[in-house]
Amino acid sequence: DIVMTQSPDSLAVSLGERATINCKSSQSVLYSSTNENYLAWYQQKPGQPPKLLIYWASTRGSGVPDRFSGSGSGTDFTLTISSLQAEDVAVYYCQQYYSTPFSFGQGTKLELK
Amino acid sequence: EVQLVESGGDLVKPGGSLRLSCEVSGLTFSNAWMGWVRQAPGEGLEWVGRIKSKTDGGTTDYGTPVKGRFTITRDDSRDTLYLQMNSLKTEDTAVYYCTTDSLVRNIWGQGTLVTVSS
Repeated sequence: DIVMTQSPDSLAVSLGERATINCKSSQSVLYSSTNENYLAWYQQKPGQPPKLLIYWASTRGSGVPDRFSGSGSGTDFTLTISSLQAEDVAVYYCQQYYSTPFSFGQGTKLELK
Repeated sequence: EVQLVESGGDLVKPGGSLRLSCEVSGLTFSNAWMGWVRQAPGEGLEWVGRIKSKTDGGTTDYGTPVKGRFTITRDDSRDTLYLQMNSLKTEDTAVYYCTTDSLVRNIWGQGTLVTVSS
């Protein structure tokens, strides 16, 4: 099974500042024949189900603000929020869908400083 | 609007069984790949499993902790997804979310709580 590890576990950022969350997979999630990384990012706010933010490592989901961006390839990935807004306070998860069982990182809690 | 509504969560004793349902509306269910994800209280997300559409073989995949105990099925005539859970353990206590196994149209239900306790 592929193990996903996020860092940090929690992060405090001021409004308008940049937030960066990292995700590392125990093996590559880059599918060579398509050159796509099978990596997604989710946002979960308290009391709500998760919401898909990013897939294919860097493609924003429908309606996701462009302050959210994803980057990386192979085993190392990053979610960046360019200018933190109050509504971005949440827990963020990466997930690999390269091979079953699909697996999530442990989550990163993003708070306001 | 696509809606997924889970039901069936309950308090059950260790070793017991429970079946969850997920009623789907607003999309062509028979074409959809569907999945379950769970979240223990105060913990992170855990992938439970998924089922492909019958057109794509209807096959299932499961997470390691539930393989052999949980079974995902679908009834396309009722637009409903099921999760049969047997030999339940205390560590299966969680909110269970039904989700479309799709990147472009990724929809989640509100979840149903399963508590396994004596």
